[in-house]
Amino acid sequence: SAVISQKPSRDICQRGTSLTIQCQVDSQVTMMFWYRQQPGQSLTLIATANQGSEATYESGFVIDKFPISRPNLTFSTLTVSNMSPEDSSIYLCSVPVGAGRDTQYFGPGTRLTVL
Amino acid sequence: QQPVQSPQAVILREGEDAVINCSSSKALYSVHWYRQKHGEAPVFLMILLKGGEQKGHEKISASFNEKKQQSSLYLTASQLSYSGTYFCGTVGTGANNLFFGTGTRLTVIP
Repeated sequence: SAVISQKPSRDICQRGTSLTIQCQVDSQVTMMFWYRQQPGQSLTLIATANQGSEATYESGFVIDKFPISRPNLTFSTLTVSNMSPEDSSIYLCSVPVGAGRDTQYFGPGTRLTVL
Repeated sequence: QQPVQSPQAVILREGEDAVINCSSSKALYSVHWYRQKHGEAPVFLMILLKGGEQKGHEKISASFNEKKQQSSLYLTASQLSYSGTYFCGTVGTGANNLFFGTGTRLTVIP
């Protein structure tokens, strides 16, 4: 398994501002994933963050709204830009672990409320 | 692309059994099962790879039928600690990304 931490654990933000969420892993991983979980909903993949290259975004998510950085193999950030109340969600990072890198483990999540 | 789970919700008494189904419209390489308790991150339960295998331990097991693009999670002799929302996650053939199902809320009552 992997130990994954996220900061902040929760935040309350004003409409129009931006928040940067950090994800730290205790081991080097090639890929990191960012998910959003809206209240009462399933998890939706936002993007895949690879070290040394641009993040790959899923349909419905764009870099201007959710810029991602991946400066090294143990760290990534996700910024939620120009926030609106619809961005209120839990944001989670995950990493593939195990011999075949098939299993994904999740960080504790960042609970974001936008007023 | 999102896998569909059934049922959406189920209530069990302690000791009863449950089956949660996950169905995809795409060819699958693997199916993952997670349990999420309220306010917490999803916790990995097991992964099933292409090959029709069945996996698990004593009371929680799963099967994967790659031809039908379906997986089922079996919970036997349920305990109060089994309560939570169960998600399947699927990885398509030739892909890396995990897509989560619609979720099944399981409540176990005394």
